[in-house]
Amino acid sequence: AQSVTQPDIHITVSEGASLELRCNYSYGATPYLFWYVQSPGQGLQLLLKYFSGDTLVQGIKGFEAEFKRSQSSFNLRKPSVHWSDAAEYFCAVLVGVDSGYALNFGKGTSLLVTP
Amino acid sequence: EAQVTQNPRYLITVTGKKLTVTCSQNMNHEYMSWYRQDPGLGLRQIYYSMNVEVTDKGDVPEGYKVSRKEKRNFPLILESPSPNQTSLYFCASGVSGINTDTQYFGPGTRLTVL
Repeated sequence: AQSVTQPDIHITVSEGASLELRCNYSYGATPYLFWYVQSPGQGLQLLLKYFSGDTLVQGIKGFEAEFKRSQSSFNLRKPSVHWSDAAEYFCAVLVGVDSGYALNFGKGTSLLVTP
Repeated sequence: EAQVTQNPRYLITVTGKKLTVTCSQNMNHEYMSWYRQDPGLGLRQIYYSMNVEVTDKGDVPEGYKVSRKEKRNFPLILESPSPNQTSLYFCASGVSGINTDTQYFGPGTRLTVL
C-alpha cells in the first residue's frame, strides 16, 4: 500500500538554524505528496504539495521541499527556523481507495525550537 | 472566509451514549472526509464522501457512521461510543479529482469517552 514514513519522531533545533525533516514514500507511480503542520491545539495547515513538474516546491512560511524519485524522498526544509515553527509536521501521500481517495499520513515529527 | 468548522471542539461523554460531531464547509467542495489522530499512529481515515449521498469506508470505520444529505455537511455519528474512540477527530473537505485535490482541515474535536 502507498505510505509515507517519517523516520524522526522528535527533532530539536536552535532558533536561526536550518531545518530538514525527512519523509520517505512507498509508491510505484509518481506520488502526490503533501506536508502539513499542526501547531499545538490547532488543526492541520497545508504547507506545500507536489503533484508533478518542478521537483523543488515552495510553500508558505518559508518552507520548501524537494521530491527525489531516486531516493523516494520528499524532505521538508527551512533555511532559518523561528520559534513559532515549533509544531508537529506531517508528511502525507494521496492514495486512491475504492471510489475515492484518502491522505495517508506519516506518524509525524515533533519540532522543538530552542533559544 | 473559506473554512471547515466542527462542533463541538471538546466533548467528554460516557460509554454507550450516542453522540454526533458536526462538520460543515463553505467552499462548495464535493469531497469530505473524517480522520482520527492518535499518538504514535498519525491520522487515519474513518469515512469519506465523494458527493451528496455517496459515502465509503476508510481505514478505521468500525464504530462510526456518517451521512451526507447536503453538500456542506458531513456529520460523524458514534452510536455507542467506547473508550477506544477517545481521540482527536478532524474533518476535511476538498474538490474531487485526485490530481488536483488539496484537503482543508477543520480545527479538530477532542473526544473523551469514559
